[in-house]
Amino acid sequence: DAGVTQSPTHLIKTRGQQVTLRCSPKSGHDTVSWYQQALGQGPQFIFQYYEEEERQRGNFPDRFSGHQFPNYSSELNVNALLLGDSALYLCASNRYSGGRTGELFFGEGSRLTVL
Amino acid sequence: SQQGEEDPQALSIQEGENATMNCSYKTSINNLQWYRQNSGRGLVHLILIRSNEREKHSGRLRVTLDTSKKSSSLLITASRAADTASYFCAWSLISSNTGKLIFGQGTTLQVKP
Repeated sequence: DAGVTQSPTHLIKTRGQQVTLRCSPKSGHDTVSWYQQALGQGPQFIFQYYEEEERQRGNFPDRFSGHQFPNYSSELNVNALLLGDSALYLCASNRYSGGRTGELFFGEGSRLTVL
Repeated sequence: SQQGEEDPQALSIQEGENATMNCSYKTSINNLQWYRQNSGRGLVHLILIRSNEREKHSGRLRVTLDTSKKSSSLLITASRAADTASYFCAWSLISSNTGKLIFGQGTTLQVKP
């Protein structure tokens, strides 16, 4: 049973560029959330997707956007990259339970470095 | 800010000793969870305690929750070198109708062999 998979694992971009990160949820899960984790900090919620719609958004600018596909996989897009966007981007999945958050299953993350 | 606090920020102990980490949050919650993260890797769920529970056990883990003080603690008994990792508490807001979790800043645990 495959867990949450993310790609790429590492990438380097320059300021102003755009990046797309991908996530496949754990089998049986229909909800995907994205988190940003800066070095030495706890993860911060970016947004959550369920039924191909953004359900809730954290305190992130519109440069951060996402998408969920019919097979429940998801993408995170970041435009006009800033140095401060350098972080570990974590995807988490779960089975939708009406908003009551239970255990989240995390992928290994995508390490983004912006130069 | 909805962020809480975890203390200590770093903890170093010998194998076999117990490790206690504390977490405080600021708002009413549905549940509180603890996650473990090995260096630069993904997070692994350890245990979940609901707002109407006061204590929960799972193997060598013991979690307590005091909603009146808005705090929780994680106790790892008889620690092993393999327990070396960062530990995060995370809570689900009672006002949230989605799966958003708010994470603490984490405690870095080093267990020396």
